[in-house]
Amino acid sequence: LAKTTQPISMDSYEGQEVNITCSHNNIATNDYITWYQQFPSQGPRFIIQGYKTKVTNEVASLFIPADRKSSTLSLPRVSLSDTAVYYCLVGDRDSNYQLIWGAGTKLIIKP
Amino acid sequence: GAVVSQHPSRVICKSGTSVKIECRSLDFQATTMFWYRQFPKKSLMLMATSNEGSKATYEQGVEKDKFLINHASLTLSTLTVTSAHPEDSSFYICSASPRGSNEKLFFGSGTQLSVL
Repeated sequence: LAKTTQPISMDSYEGQEVNITCSHNNIATNDYITWYQQFPSQGPRFIIQGYKTKVTNEVASLFIPADRKSSTLSLPRVSLSDTAVYYCLVGDRDSNYQLIWGAGTKLIIKP
Repeated sequence: GAVVSQHPSRVICKSGTSVKIECRSLDFQATTMFWYRQFPKKSLMLMATSNEGSKATYEQGVEKDKFLINHASLTLSTLTVTSAHPEDSSFYICSASPRGSNEKLFFGSGTQLSVL
């Protein structure tokens, strides 16, 4: 079973900020939280990774509360090209390849 | 970020033939690469872990004689689907993790296999 729970789908509009929340109640002390983006017929693409508090890069922010039982991926000012499936994974840095992929969140951006 | 190249992107073959898929790490060395399978609108399933210079490690339920993995160099892993059948039709994706990347995975573009 996947260690994470995400909404199956979300809709938003161009220019809006989109927040996708992931639940990981059984996260372990050594687990990192990583988000990937996948377009149809392409391999997933790394978006952001964090352990606690807040992480920001050029494409997204990741908010992690103190208990680390959830995390929120924030996409600022989305565009149509952000329509994709977003996966949240948690796992030990030393065994990242063993991560179990959940169903992800299908994000649809409308004009 | 690191680049993982996967070829071919799409292949159509007849039932009973074998198909080889290549996965290359272009700007880093990868002692370990991973092979996944993905059905339409489903999530990724890890098939096997490819280890340079040694045998691959297969996940439960994955036939090692059906899905042959060779990792002969630090930048190349191949997956051969032997005696392919229509039920092997799927999207196959490889990934690798460069040293010092905090184990972030970088993925190939995937191979869509269609067996007629």
